[in-house]
Amino acid sequence: AQKVTQAQTEISVVEKEDVTLDCVYETRDTTYYLFWYKQPPSGELVFLIRRNSFDEQNEISGRYSWNFQKSTSSFNFTITASQVVDSAVYFCALIARAAGNKLTFGGGTRVLVKP
Amino acid sequence: GAVVSQHPSRVICKSGTSVKIECRSLDFQATTMFWYRQFPKQSLMLMATSNEGSKATYEQGVEKDKFLINHASLTLSTLTVTSAHPEDSSFYICSATKTGGPHEQYFGPGTRLTVT
Repeated sequence: AQKVTQAQTEISVVEKEDVTLDCVYETRDTTYYLFWYKQPPSGELVFLIRRNSFDEQNEISGRYSWNFQKSTSSFNFTITASQVVDSAVYFCALIARAAGNKLTFGGGTRVLVKP
Repeated sequence: GAVVSQHPSRVICKSGTSVKIECRSLDFQATTMFWYRQFPKQSLMLMATSNEGSKATYEQGVEKDKFLINHASLTLSTLTVTSAHPEDSSFYICSATKTGGPHEQYFGPGTRLTVT
């Protein structure tokens, strides 16, 4: 079975603060993909990043950065210098071949950035 | 790009009626489409997986006679909620993949169903 845990249900920060979202995953498969999605109030999911299990390089894209550590089964996401527009629910997700290529979502973390 | 559309974006129907939601891949052929349901302040839960030309595979606990899925072409899948009840009110999201592998799923904008 595969599972994704986002322990933080809601985070509130003041604009310009950094915020880190935790994601811990479980899978027995050695080949898997990890994702982060943003869901703003409109409801549409916005794809942020995909990382495969063989690529542990961290990635930075503008104010977003991701830290993938297989040793701790974590794929954390940091927003630097947060802005009000970053307010949304963020989902971490996993696809593993052993699970029939089904996407399993974490519970989501609601980020509220106050001006 | 890889654009997925859903229609309608919002629908209100009366209890006992059926409602159909369409999911289309606009600029690619989707061998596999997925249907998710999301209740308020909850995560997305996979309802079913459909492959073009074959019967959908439903997740445990999802009533296949209530949620009819048809994937008649490589660009269109439909979800019909039959005999809808207020507890079926939810946000329904579809996604599509370009191939059958574990690649990125392209999500539609979602359909908000309210059953009165």
